[in-house]
Amino acid sequence: DSGVTQTPKHLITATGQRVTLRCSPRSGDLSVYWYQQSLDQGLQFLIQYYNGEERAKGNILERFSAQQFPDLHSELNLSSLELGDSALYFCASSPSNLVNEQFFGPGTRLTVL
Amino acid sequence: AQSVSQHNHHVILSEAASLELGCNYSYGGTVNLFWYVQYPGQHLQLLLKYFSGDPLVKGIKGFEAEFIKSKFSFNLRKPSVQWSDTAEYFCAVTLSVGGKLIFGQGTELSVKP
Repeated sequence: DSGVTQTPKHLITATGQRVTLRCSPRSGDLSVYWYQQSLDQGLQFLIQYYNGEERAKGNILERFSAQQFPDLHSELNLSSLELGDSALYFCASSPSNLVNEQFFGPGTRLTVL
Repeated sequence: AQSVSQHNHHVILSEAASLELGCNYSYGGTVNLFWYVQYPGQHLQLLLKYFSGDPLVKGIKGFEAEFIKSKFSFNLRKPSVQWSDTAEYFCAVTLSVGGKLIFGQGTELSVKP
């Protein structure tokens, strides 16, 4: 158990819908990272937040957005869902921007039908 | 763009065989290197990491990796695999402290008892 929690574990929804994935980092960790794991793209970085502010952006679609709240939990919002958005979404956390090691959560498996 | 390549997509070994998984990255500057493991149905776990110093790094569960700067490589090794090592292995790099992880495509290891 890494100490990073993600909810829900599984999510099944239809095309065109909007979903919110939630991540709680390890206690004391200020950085949160979101990654997408799919069969065709592998593991791809989406976005990073540090202490409530966006720090880095990767291959994140405009239909996707994220935020980090004052209590440091983070949410990833996916809208206008398409079949190709079906994937495993991982959240990771690290203590600060000065530490490299990231601790991963169990992931949310999103299935878009 | 920076990338990470893992040479083997699927490796099948018998128990007690030796393992070497290849990883190469394309970036000329300073990198921090990682190997993560994903057991079936579980989250990513850190096996080992290299930031600086001794290029031979020892990790958990008997794994080790060697950083060869001239070859841009960070190969993972284990002298004798066990059935419980069956998992997917990911090589990853960060280009800056606290930065995003850039992952390779992953290598699926199947160990036959």
